[in-house]
Amino acid sequence: DAKTTQPNSMESNEEEPVHLPCNHSTISGTDYIHWYRQLPSQGPEYVIHGLTSNVNNRMASLAIAEDRKSSTLILHRATLRDAAVYYCILRGPNTGNQFYFGTGTSLTVIP
Amino acid sequence: NAGVTQTPKFQVLKTGQSMTLQCAQDMNHNSMYWYRQDPGMGLRLIYYSASEGTTDKGEVPNGYNVSRLNKREFSLRLESAAPSQTSVYFCASSPGGSATMRQFFGPGTRLTVL
Repeated sequence: DAKTTQPNSMESNEEEPVHLPCNHSTISGTDYIHWYRQLPSQGPEYVIHGLTSNVNNRMASLAIAEDRKSSTLILHRATLRDAAVYYCILRGPNTGNQFYFGTGTSLTVIP
Repeated sequence: NAGVTQTPKFQVLKTGQSMTLQCAQDMNHNSMYWYRQDPGMGLRLIYYSASEGTTDKGEVPNGYNVSRLNKREFSLRLESAAPSQTSVYFCASSPGGSATMRQFFGPGTRLTVL
């Protein structure tokens, strides 16, 4: 299974941008980078995904390194509701098109 | 749309008892999944069904069976529960199994096996 590496935890002040890093040095050319988050006592929810180009949606932005060996999820203005565990996941033919969740990054937002 | 629903929300079993966790989705999705999440850990795939009529093992299938009853419903059965199966179980669905497809998760079933 394709591996990703994320910091165990991060803190951010409310209303400041947050950059959540993910390393995936063994990524293959056909693997998509997905981000999900899990709020306390809830199931994971989709945040964003991309292949090569940077992506934006209403929740976040995804910045993908040129060599694709790392990516960064960007929350432009953290709110208390963004406190969650964020998972960076690779998905593609090499992963059997399945999701392999690591332990993710626990984001604490400080009021 | 209710999305993905799971029943029950909580369950306590004694070792050796059996039970079935139910999952249903109303999004006309082809693929459905069962995961377990142990404390402080990420989710691990137990079984999945790429389409109606098919099921396949995931990372941790031992001790579980599944049934894709129809396109909407995917159940997970514990034939003889063990304390090691104490976990939170999540069901998910997606339109298909391709790498671009996002998954939609249910609220989870918290299972304790004594």
